[in-house]
Amino acid sequence: SQQGEEDPQALSIQEGENATMNCSYKTSINNLQWYRQNSGRGLVHLILIRSNEREKHSGRLRVTLDTSKKSSSLLITASRAADTASYFCATGPRGGSNYKLTFGKGTLLTVNP
Amino acid sequence: SAVISQKPSRDICQRGTSLTIQCQVDSQVTMMFWYRQQPGQSLTLIATANQGSEATYESGFVIDKFPISRPNLTFSTLTVSNMSPEDSSIYLCSVAVGFRDTEAFFGQGTRLTVV
Repeated sequence: SQQGEEDPQALSIQEGENATMNCSYKTSINNLQWYRQNSGRGLVHLILIRSNEREKHSGRLRVTLDTSKKSSSLLITASRAADTASYFCATGPRGGSNYKLTFGKGTLLTVNP
Repeated sequence: SAVISQKPSRDICQRGTSLTIQCQVDSQVTMMFWYRQQPGQSLTLIATANQGSEATYESGFVIDKFPISRPNLTFSTLTVSNMSPEDSSIYLCSVAVGFRDTEAFFGQGTRLTVV
């Protein structure tokens, strides 16, 4: 079964607006990561946040992590049409193989020009 | 980081046939991973491929259906055997880099359609 559950499943916004996607997970984790997938191609790593971190920034990306609620959010600020893609969270398990990531179902983001 | 070349990028195959997907990495890696992404779905791990040993398959996936080779530290193949339309998916090769904070790098995927 999938570890992560993203919501919303689909999000449509206008260029320049902010986009927020959420991810929930079920088990204890070592870290949580966000990936982007353009049109059914390979995934691109965006950002990693460790279980002892609460917030992390990378360019226009802001990720938060709340381990008490087992949830994370990805905020993309000042969105662009090129941000149109599917976004997935993935968790690395605590106490297990760090190499085995479990992916959520993803959010399809559409940024309209 | 790692750069992964995966081929073919797409294929249309007849049911009952087999397709072998190749994955080449630009550096030596211990473990390589094969994922399946069914239409509109997330990624599901098929198996973990270690060099010099048999692949480790996840629940629901078996070696007879998805044989994997890992002849060296930079190359792996996944074969989808005796295909049916239900095998139509994107198949992705991945490697993990880093010990504690593992990041995954992916090939561009193989879009398989079985008719």
